Amino acid sequence: AQRVTQPEKLLSVFKGAPVELKCNYSYSGSPELFWYVQYSRQRLQLLLRHISRESIKGFTADLNKGETSFHLKKPFAQEEDSAMYYCALGSSGNTGKLIFGQGTTLQVKP
Amino acid sequence: NAGVTQTPKFRILKIGQSMTLQCTQDMNHNYMYWYRQDPGMGLKLIYYSVGAGITDKGEVPNGYNVSRSTTEDFPLRLELAAPSQTSVYFCASRGAPGRMDGYTFGSGTRLTVV
Repeated sequence: AQRVTQPEKLLSVFKGAPVELKCNYSYSGSPELFWYVQYSRQRLQLLLRHISRESIKGFTADLNKGETSFHLKKPFAQEEDSAMYYCALGSSGNTGKLIFGQGTTLQVKP
Repeated sequence: NAGVTQTPKFRILKIGQSMTLQCTQDMNHNYMYWYRQDPGMGLKLIYYSVGAGITDKGEVPNGYNVSRSTTEDFPLRLELAAPSQTSVYFCASRGAPGRMDGYTFGSGTRLTVV
């Protein structure tokens, strides 16, 4: 079964500390993976996609096929990073559906 | 450049009432989706469409209906509102699977059923 697991509902860190938001997936074949961010009461915005290997707002994510993980990392958290983060997996077939994890709330304390 | 537009932003319904949540996109995307977001539950897919005239059920379709008469519009209909349908509803669209473009989301509709 295709599945996304974000094991932490809440991650609380101090400003300047490193952050790692975990995402594990279950998928046969080459996955299509994304990270989305949702600031308080706003729409979800695409943060990262695994294919582009880019860094957005200081966040990076590396696909580890051996561990079936796509963890989101930032070396120094900022208060404005406080938000809900969702990991998403493209489902197989031609429906274009994304399967979302349950989300992790990141709280960055001053 | 509007992207995905949802209306209304907020709505309070009484049990048994009906309403339509509107979603329109101006990116000529064939693929459109409706999700509901509940605290601690992530996003659950209600219905989706891969093109005009084609719709299909997602994980949680009961109590909802959709139609897709044009590429731009994908309205979600609640026929007999129940308290369990209190949620935040998001519409999303994408160009095509496998292009790594992901979804573009609307700003959501916050619905309360009392």
